Amino acid sequence: DIQMTQSPSSLSASVGDRVTITCRASQSISSYLNWYQQKPGKAPKLLIYVASSLQSGVPSRFSGSGSGTDFTLTISSLQPEDFATYYCQQSYSTPDTFGQGTKLEIK
Amino acid sequence: QVHLVQSGAEVKKPGASVKVSCEASGYTFTSYGISWVRQAPGQGLEWMGWISPYNGNTNYAQNFQGRVTMTTDTSTSTAYMELRSLRSDDTAVYYCARDSVWRLIAAAKTGGWFDPWGQGTLVTVSS
Repeated sequence: DIQMTQSPSSLSASVGDRVTITCRASQSISSYLNWYQQKPGKAPKLLIYVASSLQSGVPSRFSGSGSGTDFTLTISSLQPEDFATYYCQQSYSTPDTFGQGTKLEIK
Repeated sequence: QVHLVQSGAEVKKPGASVKVSCEASGYTFTSYGISWVRQAPGQGLEWMGWISPYNGNTNYAQNFQGRVTMTTDTSTSTAYMELRSLRSDDTAVYYCARDSVWRLIAAAKTGGWFDPWGQGTLVTVSS
């Protein structure tokens, strides 16, 4: 199975900050990398698919980049509603696997 | 609007089975796959498997092979996930999600993303 490792596991930041979350795959996954946001008690929500495509309705402050084994999710200017847990997911080969999550908290 | 609505919470004893339903609306059911993902309390996300409502093809994670069965009813646009021989560590919220992959290519499911997700079904396994 392909292992996905996110860093950091948790992050404290302030409203207006620029934040970057990294996801590394244990082998090359081309651009088959998706990002999700999950708030407590809610289902995950798709933010970015195939590494850099912004899902419809997602604010443009979210962006994704990378290919091969290294990927990033960037939030350009944190808003209060962005405090949540973020997961990356590879779909290059089954089983689809997720990173362990990055919990973004208010500083 | 695309919606996936799941069945309600379940409490089961160890060794029992559970069947969770996921009713889709707002899109052509057979034009997308359905993936199932679970999340144990306080833990991350674990993909369980995928089914194509188009032709019934499935792809299960090795961790669940032999214990899980995924099916669909195209007449009601509903997907089902049955998990057998339940253990306490199967206690989790189970989610269905629309998967952009609708069929296997060379027997492989490659390149999908999950959107939207159902609201989740809490399955508690306890004696």
